[in-house]
Amino acid sequence: GQNIDQPTEMTATEGAIVQINCTYQTSGFNGLFWYQQHAGEAPTFLSYNVLDGLEEKGRFSSFLSRSKGYSYLLLKELQMKDSASYLCVQTGANNLFFGTGTRLTVIP
Amino acid sequence: EAQVTQNPRYLITVTGKKLTVTCSQNMNHEYMSWYRQDPGLGLRQIYYSMNVEVTDKGDVPEGYKVSRKEKRNFPLILESPSPNQTSLYFCASSRQGRETQYFGPGTRLLVL
Repeated sequence: GQNIDQPTEMTATEGAIVQINCTYQTSGFNGLFWYQQHAGEAPTFLSYNVLDGLEEKGRFSSFLSRSKGYSYLLLKELQMKDSASYLCVQTGANNLFFGTGTRLTVIP
Repeated sequence: EAQVTQNPRYLITVTGKKLTVTCSQNMNHEYMSWYRQDPGLGLRQIYYSMNVEVTDKGDVPEGYKVSRKEKRNFPLILESPSPNQTSLYFCASSRQGRETQYFGPGTRLLVL
């Protein structure tokens, strides 16, 4: 593994903004993914960063700082359906390393 | 429809009885991979394959075998399952290892 660290659980209110942080080891870094996983379902792709900066895609944005080994996923205008686990995933040369995921609960 | 399929979706078996979980993709992807997911541990890679007849160990390969005789199929074999292999298993594929992974629906395995 690559010691990917992200909070275990977060709670936020419908309509609000939430930021999920992720830190990783910088050695062997090739890129960073964020996946969403609803309970009992397969992970689905959200975003990919390989260069420093912010990637925006609708209500979801992802940021990367390669020198700091840091990324975050920003979710805006939260909806109840955003309640899920969010997985930070680092890519190595030929394989991937998954964080344990952050379980986000959106409350009314 | 582009997809990754796994079979069976649910399986209950007993210790020592050999089983195979199939995985198939219709996207002509070169890279395929197997993961297991356990509470508190996240997704861990078991084996991956970069192309036909090329397979490599992931983080947790013990007790598992794979084969890649055709591009579309990547079966996971448990020769002698044990209770610690009770888990949720996902197969995934991508064009290359560093690219977006497309996951199958998962296989829930219970070994008694």
